[in-house]
Amino acid sequence: GAVVSQHPSRVICKSGTSVKIECRSLDFQATTMFWYRQFPKKSLMLMATSNEGSKATYEQGVEKDKFLINHASLTLSTLTVTSAHPEDSSFYICSARVLGGANVLTFGAGSRLTVL
Amino acid sequence: QQQVKQSPQSLIVQKGGISIINCAYENTAFDYFPWYQQFPGKGPALLIAIRPDVSEKKEGRFTISFNKSAKQFSLHIMDSQPGDSATYFCAATDAGGTSYGKLTFGQGTILTVHP
Repeated sequence: GAVVSQHPSRVICKSGTSVKIECRSLDFQATTMFWYRQFPKKSLMLMATSNEGSKATYEQGVEKDKFLINHASLTLSTLTVTSAHPEDSSFYICSARVLGGANVLTFGAGSRLTVL
Repeated sequence: QQQVKQSPQSLIVQKGGISIINCAYENTAFDYFPWYQQFPGKGPALLIAIRPDVSEKKEGRFTISFNKSAKQFSLHIMDSQPGDSATYFCAATDAGGTSYGKLTFGQGTILTVHP
């Protein structure tokens, strides 16, 4: 149980385009999801907290207009990288907190974004 | 105060040996300390976690030791196997607070187990 699916797993786009990454909780409801960014051989850095039905909370230094987060249902959060540039190339990973669960945090498999 | 410091950056161990990774934290509000294993191109997977009300937790070959007064915790991998070769991250969060789930990660340790 408690599976989080991310799609796409890999995406390559041209500079200036926008890319949407989906994070789905497959067998549970998640009122809260988290988006992390990971550079090669580096640690995970929290970007934002995604709350179902309300605005996301962004960490300091994260551009909310660049990284649009939408959490429209209890099983889906999306991260849209707008006007992507090569420096946005990274590994984006989401995690979800199981609603009512006891301290269960499940991570997705990640989405590798490459901006040419 | 939100930092979690992890060491060493990399670790090479022979098969059958013990791998030890250490972490230290500053925020006394942290009360949930998970360890994650990550393979290249994959998301992190929970290995084992501990709360500060116990000093040690063991699951199979993996053991967490926790020292609340020193604000340190460590992961011990007994009988290390080549399949354990991965990057390991310690993390911490305030499980009882509204920030639960906002994990602060250590810098990561690349473990290589030689056959």
